[in-house]
Amino acid sequence: AQSVTQPDIHITVSEGASLELRCNYSYGATPYLFWYVQSPGQGLQLLLKYFSGDTLVQGIKGFEAEFKRSQSSFNLRKPSVHWSDAAEYFCAVGTSGTYKYIFGTGTRLKVLA
Amino acid sequence: DAGVIQSPRHEVTEMGQEVTLRCKPISGHDYLFWYRQTMMRGLELLIYFNNNVPIDDSGMPEDRFSAKMPNASFSTLKIQPSEPRDSAVYFCASSPGLAVPGTDTQYFGPGTRLTVL
Repeated sequence: AQSVTQPDIHITVSEGASLELRCNYSYGATPYLFWYVQSPGQGLQLLLKYFSGDTLVQGIKGFEAEFKRSQSSFNLRKPSVHWSDAAEYFCAVGTSGTYKYIFGTGTRLKVLA
Repeated sequence: DAGVIQSPRHEVTEMGQEVTLRCKPISGHDYLFWYRQTMMRGLELLIYFNNNVPIDDSGMPEDRFSAKMPNASFSTLKIQPSEPRDSAVYFCASSPGLAVPGTDTQYFGPGTRLTVL
C-alpha cells in the first residue's frame, strides 16, 4: 500500500541554521511528490513538487528538495532558516490514476531567535 | 483569483445541532476535496468530487456526514447531528484536473475551525 512517513513530529532549529525535513514514501511506481507548508491558522500552501527529471527541485521561499529513489526519500532543505519559516510541513504523494494525495503526518518546525 | 473560499472560518455549536460548512473552489478547477485535520489523526481526506460528481467518499466517517456539490462553484459539507468528536479544522481544496492524474496541485482554503460542545 502507498504511504508517506515523516519521522520527525517536531524539529527546533535556530534562526540562520540549516534545515532538513525528512520524508519517506512507499509506492510501487514513479511517485509524484509534493511538499506543503501550513502556517498557523492558515491552509496548506504548495512549496514544491517533483514528477520527473532533475532530482533536485527548487521551490518557493528558498526551499529545495531532493528525490532519491534508492532511499525512497524526498527530503526538504533550506540553507538558512528564518523566523517566519516556523510552521507545519507536510509531504504528500500523488497516486497514479487518481487525483488523491496521501499526506504524511506533518513535521512542526520551531525557530529559535 | 481569490483562491478557495470557505465559510464560516469558525463555528461553535452544541452537540446534536446541524452544521453546514461551505466552499467555493477556484474557478475552472474540476476537482474539489474535503479534508479534516485533527491532532490525533492528522489530515484526512473525507470525499472528493470531479465535475460536481462524488468520486470517492470512503473517508466520510459515518452517515452523519454528507457532502454535496450542486454546481461547479459551490460545495457543502454537512454534519447532522454533530458530536464533540467532530471538532476539527475542515479544509476544502480544489485542483484543475491535469491530464496526468496524481500530478495536480491542490489549492487549499483557509479552513473552518469547528468546535462542538
